[in-house]
Amino acid sequence: GAVVSQHPSRVICKSGTSVKIECRSLDFQATTMFWYRQFPKQSLMLMATSNEGSKATYEQGVEKDKFLINHASLTLSTLTVTSAHPEDSSFYICSANSGGADTQYFGPGTRLTVL
Amino acid sequence: GESVGLHLPTLSVQEGDNSIINCAYSNSASDYFIWYKQESGKGPQFIIDIRSNMDKRQGQRVTVLLNKTVKHLSLQIAATQPGDSAVYFCAENSGGSNYKLTFGKGTLLTVNP
Repeated sequence: GAVVSQHPSRVICKSGTSVKIECRSLDFQATTMFWYRQFPKQSLMLMATSNEGSKATYEQGVEKDKFLINHASLTLSTLTVTSAHPEDSSFYICSANSGGADTQYFGPGTRLTVL
Repeated sequence: GESVGLHLPTLSVQEGDNSIINCAYSNSASDYFIWYKQESGKGPQFIIDIRSNMDKRQGQRVTVLLNKTVKHLSLQIAATQPGDSAVYFCAENSGGSNYKLTFGKGTLLTVNP
C-alpha cells in the first residue's frame, strides 16, 4: 500500500520550453501532495504543498508563476516548470499523504535536464 | 530558523556490523519523526517513524530512538547488509494541519562486504 508514482522518470528539454510532471497516488486518496526539489548530494527542499481542489501553498523563494501546481483530483497532482532554463535542472520528487495521516510517501522522482 | 541536522555526513561499516545514524533536531514542538532511505536516483523510502510520546520503536532490523531531553534521534540498523547502502534522512513534523516535514542533511551509509 501507499504507492506513489511519477511520470516521466526522466526528461530532457530545450531552454524556454515547459515541462509537466505528474504525481499519482495509486492505492490511496491523497488529501495533500508535496513537491520537492533535490540537488546532487543535498537534502530535499520543499517547494510547495498542494491540497486537492485549492491553490498550492509555495515556500518562500519559490516562484509560483514558474512552478505551476495543479491538484485536480485526490490521486493526481501536476508540476509544470514553465520556460525552463538550465538552472532548473534538478531532481523533482513528489510525496503524498492521506487525510488525517502525517506520513508522507514519496514518488520515484523525475530527473529534469534543461539544455 | 529551526532545522534538523545530522552529526555524521558519512558512515562506513562492515557487512554484518550494526549501524547507528544520528540526527539532532532543534524544534522542541516537533511531535513526529520519520527516517527515510534514499538510494541513488530514487525517491525516499519510508523506513520507520516515531511519535514524541515514545522513546523507542522497533521494526525489522531497525530501531529508532528518540531522546526529547537533548532533541536527538537515532536509527539503528542491525546486521547491516550491502543493500542498506544509501543516504538516510531524518525528518520532523512540527505539527500543524499541513503536515509539512523538515528534512535533515542526510547521512551516506556505505556497507563494505
